[in-house]
Amino acid sequence: DSGVTQTPKHLITATGQRVTLRCSPRSGDLSVYWYQQSLDQGLQFLIQYYNGEERAKGNILERFSAQQFPDLHSELNLSSLELGDSALYFCASSAVVSSGNTIYFGEGSWLTVV
Amino acid sequence: AQKITQTQPGMFVQEKEAVTLDCTYDTSDPSYGLFWYKQPSSGEMIFLIYQGSYDQQNATEGRYSLNFQKARKSANLVISASQLGDSAMYFCAMREGPSGYSTLTFGKGTMLLVSP
Repeated sequence: DSGVTQTPKHLITATGQRVTLRCSPRSGDLSVYWYQQSLDQGLQFLIQYYNGEERAKGNILERFSAQQFPDLHSELNLSSLELGDSALYFCASSAVVSSGNTIYFGEGSWLTVV
Repeated sequence: AQKITQTQPGMFVQEKEAVTLDCTYDTSDPSYGLFWYKQPSSGEMIFLIYQGSYDQQNATEGRYSLNFQKARKSANLVISASQLGDSAMYFCAMREGPSGYSTLTFGKGTMLLVSP
């Protein structure tokens, strides 16, 4: 158990809908990351937050948004969903953001868009 | 250019044998970290081992060791005494720079199958 909690574990929704994925980082970790894993794109970094502030942005679509709350949990909002958004979405956390700090992943949220 | 290259899409090994999974990386940053993660069929991403660019010795964690050759920019994962439960996808990843903007860049992964 990595200590990173993601909900829901599985989600099936229709095209055009909006979903929210939730993440609780490991106790004490200030930095949260979101990654998307799909068969064709592999593991793609979406966005990073550190202590409530956005720190880095990767290949995140405009239809997607995220935030980190004062209690450090984070949410990833996916809207106007398309079939191609079906993927495994990971949340990860680390204590600080130096290169030597391990990033621990949650179990992922499987999203299926039908 | 790809930052992380894993050239072996799949590897087969027999139980109790050792196996090496290859990883090469590309960076001009003197400060970086190299990570290996295991992803079983259930999907979770499990941290295995870490090697810092300034570490003098190769990292080891139980049956996992990292063969770090800095001049060659390679960071191969060695699994000793393979077990059936080691069958999974293995990802090499790199985190560059000491600043607050470093995230993980992953390779495409190597699927390891351990046979009895």
